[in-house]
Amino acid sequence: SQQGEEDPQALSIQEGENATMNCSYKTSINNLQWYRQNSGRGLVHLILIRSNEREKHSGRLRVTLDTSKKSSSLLITASRAADTASYFCATRRGSTLGRLYFGRGTQLTVWP
Amino acid sequence: GAVVSQHPSWVICKSGTSVKIECRSLDFQATTMFWYRQFPKQSLMLMATSNEGSKATYEQGVEKDKFLINHASLTLSTLTVTSAHPEDSSFYICSARQGLAKNIQYFGAGTRLSVL
Repeated sequence: SQQGEEDPQALSIQEGENATMNCSYKTSINNLQWYRQNSGRGLVHLILIRSNEREKHSGRLRVTLDTSKKSSSLLITASRAADTASYFCATRRGSTLGRLYFGRGTQLTVWP
Repeated sequence: GAVVSQHPSWVICKSGTSVKIECRSLDFQATTMFWYRQFPKQSLMLMATSNEGSKATYEQGVEKDKFLINHASLTLSTLTVTSAHPEDSSFYICSARQGLAKNIQYFGAGTRLSVL
């Protein structure tokens, strides 16, 4: 079953702008991950943040995690047309044999 | 990063036939592989978790006899859609994990199945 909910469901911005996507989840987690999916393709891992971390950076990506609110955000700075894709958050719980629980995803469109 | 190859990328078949999808980890040993199904513009729905050398663990509502999963080696898992029907048409994606302590899943490119 799904765990997370992303919002917005769709986001449309111009190149150079920042894109912020949010994710909420319901249960305690070990870590939260963000994945990207280009249309009709598999998912690519972007970044992982552990439950004891609050913020993490990777290139133009910044992820925050608020375990008290059970929410996370993904910020893509200085977006590019090539960032156009669907972005999913996924959570890993304690004793679930490594399975991930995916949210519904945010479809990001970056216009040149 | 680790590479997972999924084959075929697209298959069209007649109703009643069976289709086999392969998922291979190319440069690492995958103790666990996962099979997902994805409908258009929706999230991934986990179908089953496949551990090498043991029976797959299916999610609730997923028919074991319909979706046969075999994980015969540490680098290969297969999903066979038996007696496919048009409602089985979907995008199927596999992923692989290197070990229990590894958090990241590496995904195949997916297989688009169209049943006529």
